[in-house]
Amino acid sequence: DVKVTQSSRYLVKRTGEKVFLECVQDMDHENMFWYRQDPGLGLRLIYFSYDVKMKEKGDIPEGYSVSREKKERFSLILESASTNQTSMYLCASRRTGHLYNSPLHFGNGTRLTVT
Amino acid sequence: GQQLNQSPQSMFIQEGEDVSMNCTSSSIFNTWLWYKQDPGEGPVLLIALYKAGELTSNGRLTAQFGITRKDSFLNISASIPSDVGIYFCAGPPLSGNQFYFGTGTSLTVIP
Repeated sequence: DVKVTQSSRYLVKRTGEKVFLECVQDMDHENMFWYRQDPGLGLRLIYFSYDVKMKEKGDIPEGYSVSREKKERFSLILESASTNQTSMYLCASRRTGHLYNSPLHFGNGTRLTVT
Repeated sequence: GQQLNQSPQSMFIQEGEDVSMNCTSSSIFNTWLWYKQDPGEGPVLLIALYKAGELTSNGRLTAQFGITRKDSFLNISASIPSDVGIYFCAGPPLSGNQFYFGTGTSLTVIP
């Protein structure tokens, strides 16, 4: 069974702090993703990575950056946290292949509050 | 980016009732996925649909890939309290290289 682990379930940070959200998967998946989930908006893609050291912007990358130094680990970075980044953050991974036969597997999420 | 519209946004039903929800897109999709998110957890894949008109079941869940390829439907029969959660549709559009998610349907089952 695929396991995607997010290091924190809950985080509270102050405006302006640098925040790191960590995600690790144990199935040797090439592709990893960061989404944020907000009520009424569903899941929106922030960044994704097809391989180590590779990254692509999703739909809402502003205010975020990512790091993929190792295949199993994908980090989301908030360079200077703001209150509008208060949200649930979900990490996901999938193996390389056609999108139609390789669905996403999610972690349990990190609920970030920026005060 | 692409957004999928789900309806209804929320549902409150009695235990034992059947549930129907749907998802529509402005673009053609070549796969439809349905995920469920339990409270405090990440979404988990329930059903995957791969061709137009396909009807697939997973226990009490049945999903259909719309003929136009721009919509999909999820039905839950004889609901039980553990069906509570948020249901998301998702998929890659025909011309895309990533998954898009619906806005979610929040289901509450009253015992």
